[in-house]
Amino acid sequence: ILNVEQSPQSLHVQEGDSTNFTCSFPSSNFYALHWYRWETAKSPEALFVMTLNGDEKKKGRISATLNTKEGYSYLYIKGSQPEDSATYLCAFISSGGSNYKLTFGKGTLLTVNP
Amino acid sequence: NAGVTQTPKFQVLKTGQSMTLQCAQDMNHNSMYWYRQDPGMGLRLIYYSASEGTTDKGEVPNGYNVSRLNKREFSLRLESAAPSQTSVYFCASILLDEQYFGPGTRLTVT
Repeated sequence: ILNVEQSPQSLHVQEGDSTNFTCSFPSSNFYALHWYRWETAKSPEALFVMTLNGDEKKKGRISATLNTKEGYSYLYIKGSQPEDSATYLCAFISSGGSNYKLTFGKGTLLTVNP
Repeated sequence: NAGVTQTPKFQVLKTGQSMTLQCAQDMNHNSMYWYRQDPGMGLRLIYYSASEGTTDKGEVPNGYNVSRLNKREFSLRLESAAPSQTSVYFCASILLDEQYFGPGTRLTVT
């Protein structure tokens, strides 16, 4: 079982604050890293797919970076809004020959207070 | 193109009863996954199937069986349900940069 860690486990910020959280994963057999946004009672929604060391991706106020050599990815939210409140999951995809396996972290629960 | 469909959406079982959760995808993806989601635990992998006809255990396979009879469908079976299997179950169909989750099945075992 691969170890994918997310920190912090939960986070409370005020509307307008910028915030970031971390996903750590094994640095070997890396194929891709996914970030998802997951609201209660809904299915996870894909945010980013990151495949190359040094990747930086952006969608609106949310961006992510990737360091495959040291095994971490950061997710940033600029100017948090109450509607950003959700659990943010990362998922590490490893490759082993022709097989791929996806492992989720436990998520960071973000609460944005108005 | 319906994406990933799951049935049923809700189910209540008594301890010892059996049932099968159905999952189907119409995107021609090779890999399909079954997860359970419990409060404070995040998504935990039960079983996955890298391709038609193959299945592998995930993090929490005990008490479950799966079947991948064709590329489109991946079913999860509880042979003798236990209260510890009360959870929300998600099926996912993932092909590297395409990822889709089903709407989830909320299962309660009394």
